[in-house]
Amino acid sequence: AQSVAQPEDQVNVAEGNPLTVKCTYSVSGNPYLFWYVQYPNRGLQFLLKYITGDNLVKGSYGFEAEFNKSQTSFHLKKPSALVSDSALYFCAVRAGVGGYQKVTFGTGTKLQVIP
Amino acid sequence: DAMVIQNPRYQVTQFGKPVTLSCSQTLNHNVMYWYQQKSSQAPKLLFHYYDKDFNNEADTPDNFQSRRPNTSFCFLDIRSPGLGDAAMYLCATSRDTGKQETQYFGPGTRLLVL
Repeated sequence: AQSVAQPEDQVNVAEGNPLTVKCTYSVSGNPYLFWYVQYPNRGLQFLLKYITGDNLVKGSYGFEAEFNKSQTSFHLKKPSALVSDSALYFCAVRAGVGGYQKVTFGTGTKLQVIP
Repeated sequence: DAMVIQNPRYQVTQFGKPVTLSCSQTLNHNVMYWYQQKSSQAPKLLFHYYDKDFNNEADTPDNFQSRRPNTSFCFLDIRSPGLGDAAMYLCATSRDTGKQETQYFGPGTRLLVL
């Protein structure tokens, strides 16, 4: 079975400060990890993904995420937060051996960037 | 721009009255998914199509059905909506079902059941 944990329901950060949204995972086999962002009353937008290779993945809107196998984490980061980054962020994982594996989403973290 | 389109964006129906939500895509992706999302919770997969092959999740109620008449369109039919079915319904597509494949989401349809 695979699972994703986002330990913080909400993260508050001042505009211009660095932000981190945490994600840890549990899988059998190699993980494929994704971050999505959801603005109010909108669908999910893909930000970035880790498949293999470089542990630091760069994505859309200046976001990046660091894959840490030993800590089974895939935290989302941005050096300087914008008010427009305020949204709901979902971490997701897909893994398993053979066959079809559906995506498992975390419960989401609400990011609030304070002007 | 290639995209995933959902209509309508907002749908109001009455308790027990059948309702259909639609999704179309211009990405020419093989796979289309339907998710249910309640009040900022994680999206819950209802089912997906790989081409014309339908794959139902084990815990999806029989009240929910789907049709995919062609590559571009996929429909979600709720046969007898209950108050508990009020939610955001998200359609998504991916090129294939490989683990590395990104899913692309539509804007969602918010369903209200009166």
